[in-house]
Amino acid sequence: EDKVVQSPLSLVVHEGDTVTLNCSYEVTNFRSLLWYKQEKKAPTFLFMLTSSGIEKKSGRLSSILDKKELFSILNITATQTGDSAVYLCATYTQGGSEKLVFGKGMKLTVNP
Amino acid sequence: DTGVSQDPRHKITKRGQNVTFRCDPISEHNRLYWYRQTLGQGPEFLTYFQNEAQLEKSRLLSDRFSAERPKGSFSTLEIQRTEQGDSAMYLCASSETGSNQPQHFGDGTRLSIL
Repeated sequence: EDKVVQSPLSLVVHEGDTVTLNCSYEVTNFRSLLWYKQEKKAPTFLFMLTSSGIEKKSGRLSSILDKKELFSILNITATQTGDSAVYLCATYTQGGSEKLVFGKGMKLTVNP
Repeated sequence: DTGVSQDPRHKITKRGQNVTFRCDPISEHNRLYWYRQTLGQGPEFLTYFQNEAQLEKSRLLSDRFSAERPKGSFSTLEIQRTEQGDSAMYLCASSETGSNQPQHFGDGTRLSIL
């Protein structure tokens, strides 16, 4: 069965710290990996990664995929209290399925 | 650009009642998805539509659950004879057609079964 595992499951940091979120996957015929940020409501799309070694960047957030070792990381530099959220990792697989398989999420708390 | 819209935001009902949720996707999106999320878990896939055709259903979708998208625009998810275990956040998402399209989520309907 397809599996996406995130670590750590929760993290508390101070404003200004840099954090690294990990996502590993065991899926049949991997196609792409997506990162979402979920505050109290809708998961908001951050990045989609399909190729190894190519960094995606948006402001203080960046992400990279390693298809050989089957993991991705999401980095957040100079964290702010507004970065407090649950960060979700999900994968698409091949074979005609359009469902996303999600990890449990990582709860990040940034204290002032 | 209006995002994915879900209604109602909250639903409280007694066990055994039927409930129906509505989802309006982003207007140019042909694909529509339903997920269920419980506390401390990521969203779990329930079903998806390409236009009006329901193309995939999870085994989580028991025979008490039914979803429709009759005109290929909005969708409804109905749960019959609700049970305590149905208490969850029901999320709808939509995407464009094509490989590797990001799914965009609505704010969800939170269902509480008394």
